[in-house]
Amino acid sequence: ETGVTQTPRHLVMGMTNKKSLKCEQHLGHNAMYWYKQSAKKPLELMFVYNFKEQTENNSVPSRFSPECPNSSHLFLHLHTLQPEDSALYLCASSQDHSSGRARETQYFGPGTRLLVL
Amino acid sequence: AQSVAQPEDQVNVAEGNPLTVKCTYSVSGNPYLFWYVQYPNRGLQFLLKYITGDNLVKGSYGFEAEFNKSQTSFHLKKPSALVSDSALYFCAVRDKAYSSASKIIFGSGTRLSIRP
Repeated sequence: ETGVTQTPRHLVMGMTNKKSLKCEQHLGHNAMYWYKQSAKKPLELMFVYNFKEQTENNSVPSRFSPECPNSSHLFLHLHTLQPEDSALYLCASSQDHSSGRARETQYFGPGTRLLVL
Repeated sequence: AQSVAQPEDQVNVAEGNPLTVKCTYSVSGNPYLFWYVQYPNRGLQFLLKYITGDNLVKGSYGFEAEFNKSQTSFHLKKPSALVSDSALYFCAVRDKAYSSASKIIFGSGTRLSIRP
């Protein structure tokens, strides 16, 4: 349960605010992910970082800006969000094989429940 | 293209009865398959996975899942349900042909409700 931590757990922000979500993994993994979970919708992959390099951006609006300063930390910077961005934001990590064959389990943090007013 | 389907939004089972949560998948090659559980106000928690080998996979909390290649299914099962099993369950699939870590697709989730 404490392998992947996220702060804050809850966040309420106005549309003009700037805030950041933080994720930290204590598992020694080399890949980290941001997901968005909205009610009654499948989990949406937002960003992927492998060895601190962003490898995927799934058409995420620019008001979401990720940052990965090292393999243990991942941030999601938020600015000028919309009410429809209210959701549970989940961070995950995994250990990718050096061969590039990724098959390992992703371990998730508890999430940040975001409400945009 | 790969996809995963969980045909039931909700499954209701009496405590002590066996439970099944269904999952079917579609991949162009061979699949890696996963089950995750999400309790209220928590992140997803890994339950079990199928990579290769025995089609019956055993996981946490007494859960198991059977990989059926001909039916492209990976149903989650438990012989005797507990009230504490009530949660949201997600099936996920990755095509072995994809080398990218990101190519995992999650189902929409099935809410399991166990009544005392």
